[in-house]
Amino acid sequence: DGGITQSPKYLFRKEGQNVTLSCEQNLNHDAMYWYRQDPGQGLRLIYYSQIVNDFQKGDIAEGYSVSREKKESFPLTVTSAQKNPTAFYLCASNPYGMNTEAFFGQGTRLTVV
Amino acid sequence: AQTVTQSQPEMSVQEAETVTLSCTYDTSESDYYLFWYKQPPSRQMILVIRQEAYKQQNATENRFSVNFQKAAKSFSLKISDSQLGDAAMYFCAYRSSINAGNNRKLIWGLGTSLAVNP
Repeated sequence: DGGITQSPKYLFRKEGQNVTLSCEQNLNHDAMYWYRQDPGQGLRLIYYSQIVNDFQKGDIAEGYSVSREKKESFPLTVTSAQKNPTAFYLCASNPYGMNTEAFFGQGTRLTVV
Repeated sequence: AQTVTQSQPEMSVQEAETVTLSCTYDTSESDYYLFWYKQPPSRQMILVIRQEAYKQQNATENRFSVNFQKAAKSFSLKISDSQLGDAAMYFCAYRSSINAGNNRKLIWGLGTSLAVNP
């Protein structure tokens, strides 16, 4: 079945470590997005990519990095520079050039221990 | 900049009853898209309904319908015959019709937590 797969579902990180969250889609969508969700703050955009080898900062990009080497994959690295990384992370995609809704993965819960 | 406001952090409804969730937005654009998303306890974000601003007719999807008031910049969601499975966070979102750059991102409200009482 087509969809977006995020892994792992739960992730624990020690302070000072970088960690990478995976997002893979087989929907042939051009655009992909990373959101962070905190209680009471809704969804905030971290990074987005409209085509391969191109990506743009969202509203809260500091302490995060991404790559888009393949159309299907948009991994997010949470670096040690991110001061408060404990959150729920959602990956989404939609076809480029079409103002459709975004399709979401099931999310990754990151906890700093 | 566009903003989306959901003024009801929490709501509750009796099973089989009808409930309306409010959403207002601010924009200077004349053409745009509005969405309601549902996030159940599994936290998977699911599209409920979509409305194109250029369409006067309110969107409907089975038990879910919207009341789109463009002049008032209001986009409320009505859930009829509420079911236990409707219990979730509901988010209202806005997207510009300008298909370039930062305009492609969704602007989100803070959500309304809906409880369905048996």
